[in-house]
Amino acid sequence: GAGVSQSPSNKVTEKGKDVELRCDPISGHTALYWYRQSLGQGLEFLIYFQGNSAPDKSGLPSDRFSAERTGGSVSTLTIQRTQQEDSAVYLCASPLNRDRSTDTQYFGPGTRLTVL
Amino acid sequence: GENVEQHPSTLSVQEGDSAVIKCTYSDSASNYFPWYKQELGKRPQLIIDIRSNVGEKKDQRIAVTLNKTAKHFSLHITETQPEDSAVYFCAASIRRAAGNKLTFGGGTRVLVKP
Repeated sequence: GAGVSQSPSNKVTEKGKDVELRCDPISGHTALYWYRQSLGQGLEFLIYFQGNSAPDKSGLPSDRFSAERTGGSVSTLTIQRTQQEDSAVYLCASPLNRDRSTDTQYFGPGTRLTVL
Repeated sequence: GENVEQHPSTLSVQEGDSAVIKCTYSDSASNYFPWYKQELGKRPQLIIDIRSNVGEKKDQRIAVTLNKTAKHFSLHITETQPEDSAVYFCAASIRRAAGNKLTFGGGTRVLVKP
């Protein structure tokens, strides 16, 4: 990827627990996207942040999912009361160019979430 | 919203042959079409992209074509090699100043047999 990092790389949790997934985008870049990839499936858009604008939450699958971005950099995706169907790889993406939110998106390594 | 269909879901080719993956999209306003390659256990990596003001783009053994009228675009890999084996995803989006969320196809698993 182009400098996007995510943590943890793997997370195993029990059904009903809350989890937080973290994304550190390319420093200083204004746009940040979250996607989800279920096992053997394609990628599904969840939410994106663009500068100080209200985030586009149209892809969040339920109200158990939320995300925030503090200080225009680090983002945290929170899943409350996890369910087994939440098991997936959660990917964060950031454009390459600092001020061009419309540019190509580069993915972080992802967090593999397993809900038992 | 946008819907992207991708075919085939699996593709097996002999080393040296060509591979073609096709995608269709539903929203005529879409104007940006990237292709990602994902190897097992790794993140998706951009391999090529095309914008709607261009009909074709080539980068070494990889080319992408776009037919806006028919709302479909294709990835062509020539002279395939074993390292081309991976899952390939197409995507579509409407690039705006406010951002461009990607809608992905279901993926094509490509196997290049030596």
